[in-house]
Amino acid sequence: GAGVSQSPRYKVAKRGQDVALRCDPISGHVSLFWYQQALGQGPEFLTYFQNEAQLDKSGLPSDRFFAERPEGSVSTLKIQRTQQEDSAVYLCASSLRQGHTEAFFGQGTRLTVV
Amino acid sequence: GDSVTQMEGPVTLSEEAFLTINCTYTATGYPSLFWYVQYPGEGLQLLLKATKADDKGSNKGFEATYRKETTSFHLEKGSVQVSDSAVYFCALIPTNDYKLSFGAGTTVTVRA
Repeated sequence: GAGVSQSPRYKVAKRGQDVALRCDPISGHVSLFWYQQALGQGPEFLTYFQNEAQLDKSGLPSDRFFAERPEGSVSTLKIQRTQQEDSAVYLCASSLRQGHTEAFFGQGTRLTVV
Repeated sequence: GDSVTQMEGPVTLSEEAFLTINCTYTATGYPSLFWYVQYPGEGLQLLLKATKADDKGSNKGFEATYRKETTSFHLEKGSVQVSDSAVYFCALIPTNDYKLSFGAGTTVTVRA
């Protein structure tokens, strides 16, 4: 597709369950970002990949959060043992290259932990 | 760290009214500044950007000017339409960085 695609669009998880969120960036985009957007707030940075290398994971809130991009295209954000405070919209964005200022965002995955 | 503060909403306007959403930033050096828009049911879209002082970004009738002296990047539109109803986010990328820092967002509703 032409844009950044995320799946699933909505996910309801029971507390303690593991979840995996998928991001398909725009083809050829080197840089990939994950952001977390709590209700009524702006997105907050989680992690950054350049190709398959995870160059920055400073925004991951705990060691229950893990992201990968093994072949430098599709990325997965995994959250283990989900907790209620993990409920948020998880946004993926890609850009053509590092330093390129236009990032294209997917529609996000809304995670609700019950 | 570098951050942005934007006007709290919600903002409700009538069609053809003038819209201003204030945004100020705190940063060292010369960050790049952005406005993103999120229409109902859609993802974040880049509306406009400015990468250096006195630059004016413009798109879809919206404008914002990078003001170094007042550390501001206010968004303006002279005549809004119902289709402009959305959440607007001011954001920056610090100098020599790649991470976007967003404001909390301003919800704008335009009534016919």
